[in-house]
Amino acid sequence: QSVLTQPPSVSAAPGQRVTISCSGSSSNIGNNYGNSYVSWYQQLPGTAPKLLIYDNNKRPSGIPDRFSGSKSGTSATLGITGLQTGDEAVYYCGTWDSSLSAEVFGTGTKVTVL
Amino acid sequence: QVQLVESGGGVVQPGRSLRLSCAASGFTFSNYGMHWVRQAPGKGLEWVALISYDGSNKWYADSVKGRFTISRDNSKNTLYLQMNSLRAEDTAVYYCTKDLGGGAIDYWGQGTLVTVSS
Repeated sequence: QSVLTQPPSVSAAPGQRVTISCSGSSSNIGNNYGNSYVSWYQQLPGTAPKLLIYDNNKRPSGIPDRFSGSKSGTSATLGITGLQTGDEAVYYCGTWDSSLSAEVFGTGTKVTVL
Repeated sequence: QVQLVESGGGVVQPGRSLRLSCAASGFTFSNYGMHWVRQAPGKGLEWVALISYDGSNKWYADSVKGRFTISRDNSKNTLYLQMNSLRAEDTAVYYCTKDLGGGAIDYWGQGTLVTVSS
């Protein structure tokens, strides 16, 4: 069972904006010490996950600014603007849990472009 | 560019062992921690284990603690996962991944499928 909770699915029309929430606790997302940074990953069908966001809101080179991340308290949010058909994928949040001494991932959210 | 190539997957009977390998290239392997992450068919991501850059520290998911061992050979730029006492619930694609720091994983291999079945 995942420690981080995400909605199972979100959908929107092309060009619209979606947000995906990731809810955790004080031992992971809400941890004010150590590795409490949130990352987001995109997994296209049949492929390995890819890093979209790290350190809560930073984008690796090559990731468009349509993707954004934020964190507040024990929750984090991924935003996708200007939705494209190529954005259809499952998105996961992840972070380090200091109580478990383990990396933890969210339950995953499937994004559908209507 | 960074490449992570897993090998060693296959079909194995319950209770048996298997060793996965991951050949790394395109970065200074000995400078980074490395993880194994798995994904059961049709399911989400599950973190398995992490090893520090020099192999001196290791962390494991409770589900594999005592059965799996992560190790590395920095002279060969290779990461390993020794899996013992395999169970049906260990069936998954196993990904070799590179640690970015701050709890993030910046590169993933293509994965190798492990199927535990009699």
